[in-house]
Amino acid sequence: NAGVMQNPRHLVRRRGQEARLRCSPVKGHSHVYWYRQLPEEGLKFMVYLQKENIIDESGMPKERFSAEFPKEGPSILRIQQVVRGDSAAYFCASSRLASYNEQFFGPGTRLTVL
Amino acid sequence: GIQVEQSPPDLILQEGANSTLRCNFSDSVNNLQWFHQNPWGQLINLFYIPSGTKQNGRLSATTVATERYSLLYISSSQTTDSGVYFCAGPSGGYQKVTFGTGTKLQVIP
Repeated sequence: NAGVMQNPRHLVRRRGQEARLRCSPVKGHSHVYWYRQLPEEGLKFMVYLQKENIIDESGMPKERFSAEFPKEGPSILRIQQVVRGDSAAYFCASSRLASYNEQFFGPGTRLTVL
Repeated sequence: GIQVEQSPPDLILQEGANSTLRCNFSDSVNNLQWFHQNPWGQLINLFYIPSGTKQNGRLSATTVATERYSLLYISSSQTTDSGVYFCAGPSGGYQKVTFGTGTKLQVIP
């Protein structure tokens, strides 16, 4: 079984550009989570989505960041008008069940903003 | 949400040595995971351990949910064990997970 897939693995953007990060969950998983890891820090929760619904976005910055998980296709984390402080590793995880369940993580996308 | 503390923050081991990493929670947890982030940044699931003890090769983990802690044991450490070890538990509803600050392990030959 394929695990969580993320692409691109590395992304370089200049300030003001848009960054799109994609995540394909484990087959059969309908719950997706995004986390951000700043350099030398732990992972911080950003958003939890189910198919076509945002369930919890309490960890997401109010501006410039958005996430979606459409009925078909991968989950997308979108960052508009990136700034240097957005440079981080962004991890996606998925789980199978609705109640708290083991989360499986992807390899992450490392975003560098020049 | 819960607070997660890990100790020690840094650890240097001679290859072949054993170690115990600890994770304390501010509130009781009904589920807990341990992860290893290798030097290349990949996050690897080690254990999903709500309670009790599990073993996987040279690694084992014990969670005592009622006392709000979990332990990760590494025996006969190898250089490939180097990296950062995180524990994580649920925080609030909707499966939000809170990560600890991590233990940075360096195993030297």
